[in-house]
Amino acid sequence: GENVEQHPSTLSVQEGDSAVIKCTYSDSASNYFPWYKQELGKRPQLIIDIRSNVGEKKDQRIAVTLNKTAKHFSLHITETQPEDSAVYFCAASMGGADGLTFGKGTHLIIQP
Amino acid sequence: GAVVSQHPSWVICKSGTSVKIECRSLDFQATTMFWYRQFPKQSLMLMATSNEGSKATYEQGVEKDKFLINHASLTLSTLTVTSAHPEDSSFYICSALRSSGYEQYFGPGTRLTVT
Repeated sequence: GENVEQHPSTLSVQEGDSAVIKCTYSDSASNYFPWYKQELGKRPQLIIDIRSNVGEKKDQRIAVTLNKTAKHFSLHITETQPEDSAVYFCAASMGGADGLTFGKGTHLIIQP
Repeated sequence: GAVVSQHPSWVICKSGTSVKIECRSLDFQATTMFWYRQFPKQSLMLMATSNEGSKATYEQGVEKDKFLINHASLTLSTLTVTSAHPEDSSFYICSALRSSGYEQYFGPGTRLTVT
């Protein structure tokens, strides 16, 4: 089955700086890669996703890049703000009726 | 649109009893629903995939006789934890998939505590 590795487990950045979280996956059949933000006790919130026919996608301060050859994808957050502090999860699936395999999560801390 | 609800939001039960958790898609039909489990400070782990009108598909290591899943309609899936034990205490989250999409819409989760 699919295996998703996520790094780092904790990331502390100064407010206004950029944050980058990286994930690798093992199954070349995976073609859907969402990123979620989860606050304590709440449901995961989709912040951006990318499909394998696209190399990069951007939505305001958030971007995701995908390298299918190397089987890795990254989340980039620019101009970080205190409200960006949360746990972020990457995930992978074959899309459709295929469940998500999640990375272990990154605790992002924005230092004022 | 794309709202998913879960009931109850939290439940405490005694060891050996059974607990039912409901997952509903409120404004769309979901041919497929998923059940995930999340232990404290850990990631989400897929437990099973539920398709309307057919038997659920369980992930390796998940006991199908302990975690009973019923997807009786296009808007409702239920997870019953049978003979619950303290190690079953966890955050259970469902998600629902529109028939033509990739994005999974997550419910708010159910916090189960077994005493």
